[in-house]
Amino acid sequence: GNSVTQMEGPVTLSEEAFLTINCTYTATGYPSLFWYVQYPGEGLQLLLKATKADDKGSNKGFEATYRKETTSFHLEKGSVQVSDSAVYFCALGNYGQNFVFGPGTRLSVLP
Amino acid sequence: EADIYQTPRYLVIGTGKKITLECSQTMGHDKMYWYQQDPGMELHLIHYSYGVNSTEKGDLSSESTVSRIRTEHFPLTLESARPSHTSQYLCASRGQGTGTEAFFGQGTRLTVV
Repeated sequence: GNSVTQMEGPVTLSEEAFLTINCTYTATGYPSLFWYVQYPGEGLQLLLKATKADDKGSNKGFEATYRKETTSFHLEKGSVQVSDSAVYFCALGNYGQNFVFGPGTRLSVLP
Repeated sequence: EADIYQTPRYLVIGTGKKITLECSQTMGHDKMYWYQQDPGMELHLIHYSYGVNSTEKGDLSSESTVSRIRTEHFPLTLESARPSHTSQYLCASRGQGTGTEAFFGQGTRLTVV
């Protein structure tokens, strides 16, 4: 079946540091991949997505590339800000099946 | 901006009470979902629906029930609330196609005392 694995948190960084949150997946066929962000007390918001191999999703300085050869979709940002402190979820959507979410990674950015 | 709404945002209720958490979307999506999220962050799918009069239980067993009488409305009901039901409940909807994202409501924080 489909599954998503994320690096465990919490991740604590200083402002302007480089961020990587690893995400790997297991799936049959040709899934789409997503990153969601959840700020305190809120629901999940779509951050970026990629629908086929080698696609790069990007938004608000965040990027992730769909790597079919390594079954990965790692989230990166070159310079994090305090306002990026949140929980990040990697997710997978596949034909005929419900969304699958990773367990989430909490990011704290210190000034 | 997502057009999916949950009410109430916060609810404190006594043990044994019946409650209904509301979820509505204006995007015409056939697929709708309820997730339970504990402080440990992980999302647990408790119910889903692929259209009117279609409801299924999710991966996590739940004492709640759902209905889907109209496309836009997917309420969740607890017949008799217990402290173990204290949690954050998130509603989501999604259109057709593997590349479409899920849209989430802002959640209902339920506390049963």
